[in-house]
Amino acid sequence: EVQLLESGGGLEQPGESLRLSCRASAFTFKTYAMSWFRQAPGRGLEWVASIDNSGYTSYHADSVKGRFTISRDNSKNTLLLQMDSLRAEDTAIYYCARIWTAVPHTDSWGQGTLVTVSS
Amino acid sequence: QPVLTQSSSASASLGSSVKLTCTLSSGHSNFIIAWHQQQPGKAPQFLMRVDASGSYNKRSGVPDRFSGSSSGTDRYLTISNLQSEDEADYYCETWDTETRVFGGGTKLTVL
Repeated sequence: EVQLLESGGGLEQPGESLRLSCRASAFTFKTYAMSWFRQAPGRGLEWVASIDNSGYTSYHADSVKGRFTISRDNSKNTLLLQMDSLRAEDTAIYYCARIWTAVPHTDSWGQGTLVTVSS
Repeated sequence: QPVLTQSSSASASLGSSVKLTCTLSSGHSNFIIAWHQQQPGKAPQFLMRVDASGSYNKRSGVPDRFSGSSSGTDRYLTISNLQSEDEADYYCETWDTETRVFGGGTKLTVL
């Protein structure tokens, strides 16, 4: 069974940085594109960023462009999200997810890690 | 970029059926969508994908009570013989080359 385990969440002040990690197991990580999503308290799901299987191509939502960076280390089966210049509106549960290959829908989700941005 | 529209809430009685709708924006009628279920306090879980022809592919383990269909820009999730554990938020998702998009979600209440 696909396992995605996020870590790195916590409480941070506005303007500070945080790095999230997602450790993948039970599948061949390097063959799948991956994404980060988030869900603010009481709100719906929001796409944050995606990266292809090689790590060479990535895309970011306008709301985080220039502040967040998605990357991956295929040698360590790990997906990363570097979050800089944090804002209060970045407060959310952040989910790591796998993108299916043939038809690129999200097919597996992690359990999420909570990021709180507050002074 | 596609936009997805969902009703904010739906309700149906235990043992009955309900049909949830996800509507694609104009010009995106050929897009495939995915349905995700989020039970209270839990992470989302992929249920199925539905294409423009109405063909659907479910995740292994999703009960036969769940099915998908399509009509024009509408994609549907039908749940038959509703159970208490089906009370959840249901989100549809689609994508293009550079973005992924969710509908606002439908909160399903089982009466």
